[in-house]
Amino acid sequence: EAQVTQNPRYLITVTGKKLTVTCSQNMNHEYMSWYRQDPGLGLRQIYYSMNVEVTDKGDVPEGYKVSRKEKRNFPLILESPSPNQTSLYFCASSLFPGSSYNEQFFGPGTRLTVL
Amino acid sequence: SQQGEEDPQALSIQEGENATMNCSYKTSINNLQWYRQNSGRGLVHLILIRSNEREKHSGRLRVTLDTSKKSSSLLITASRAADTASYFCATDGNRDDKIIFGKGTRLHILP
Repeated sequence: EAQVTQNPRYLITVTGKKLTVTCSQNMNHEYMSWYRQDPGLGLRQIYYSMNVEVTDKGDVPEGYKVSRKEKRNFPLILESPSPNQTSLYFCASSLFPGSSYNEQFFGPGTRLTVL
Repeated sequence: SQQGEEDPQALSIQEGENATMNCSYKTSINNLQWYRQNSGRGLVHLILIRSNEREKHSGRLRVTLDTSKKSSSLLITASRAADTASYFCATDGNRDDKIIFGKGTRLHILP
């Protein structure tokens, strides 16, 4: 089954404790992306990746890191989480943007709470 | 920088009526997409319209695109209770590879 998986689905942590949210897709997609969703603000892109070893900042990259060592995986790293990073996070993938085939497939979401 | 802005923010209609949501954006685009999100869950792609298209249909969905006004509309005909969700437009700029979502329209279908 074609899908995007994220882990963990729920996470409560404390300020400053490094964490990683994993994302994996099995569709051989070129493009992968992380978003955060906050009430009243919609989805905002954090980072995206066009392909292996190619990553770029989205609109809200501060406080986050990503890596793309393999095509299928795109982990989101919070080196020193802060309470303002409490949010619902989505990973998504698509064939490639700018084309007629860039329907994005979304993971189920990770609800992160930073105390 | 929020590219897409949907309106209205919230919409309540009776089952069976048509629902129309609008999206405006700021810069030139390659294509525009509409997504649906059921409460707290992942987004589901509904329809994509290319910048050189003006209208597209998919089942009960009709999307229009007016690049001169930088706007799009999503029409859901003969609404059903299952259409209750939030709807987002998303654009990809043709100068970079970012994808930008609007803040969404919350649609509530009343029985």
